[in-house]
Amino acid sequence: AQSVTQLGSHVSVSEGALVLLRCNYSSSVPPYLFWYVQYPNQGLQLLLKYTSAATLVKGINDFEAEFKKSETSFHLTKPSAHMSDAAEYFCAVSGVSGGYQKVTFGTGTKLQVIP
Amino acid sequence: DTGVSQDPRHKITKRGQNVTFRCDPISEHNRLYWYRQTLGQGPEFLTYFQNEAQLEKSRLLSDRFSAERPKGSFSTLEIQRTEQGDSAMYLCASSLALGQGVSEQYFGPGTRLTVT
Repeated sequence: AQSVTQLGSHVSVSEGALVLLRCNYSSSVPPYLFWYVQYPNQGLQLLLKYTSAATLVKGINDFEAEFKKSETSFHLTKPSAHMSDAAEYFCAVSGVSGGYQKVTFGTGTKLQVIP
Repeated sequence: DTGVSQDPRHKITKRGQNVTFRCDPISEHNRLYWYRQTLGQGPEFLTYFQNEAQLEKSRLLSDRFSAERPKGSFSTLEIQRTEQGDSAMYLCASSLALGQGVSEQYFGPGTRLTVT
């Protein structure tokens, strides 16, 4: 079984401030972890992924996330928020079970950037 | 490469009608996935194809739902006798999988279904 929990359905930050979006996972197999971003009425775009290589993962648009096995966390950060970062962010966990790749998404965190 | 495309982008239908959605994956991708996303939720897995074979179906996929990928390229998702609870965004994703490892999924823009 696998699941992710995203803490905080809404997060507000000021433009230029640090962005921190929290994600904790649960997985019975070594997990692959992802962060996706979704703009209104659009599909999901992959920001970054962890696939058991480096624990600090860098993604697009200066986002990064750190895999911490001891804390079962994969929090997303960005040093300085831009107005264009306002969107909904989804954490997802994936594992191979019976040859099938199943991806389970969290409920999402809406990021508001205040000018 | 134009990415994953879905058609239509929006569909309004009356309860009890049948609807069909189409997904065109990235051309060389062998895996195709359908998800459903309701307001305030993340995407929920519906079904998955490896080439033309449908390998997994979620319990969310009732008997009114059917999906096909006849030639291992595009896929269709049909909902029969639609209900108001079927109103959601239906997302398609594709990936190129080599072996059984996890592969990155690329999402289409989705089809928003409204059942009145």
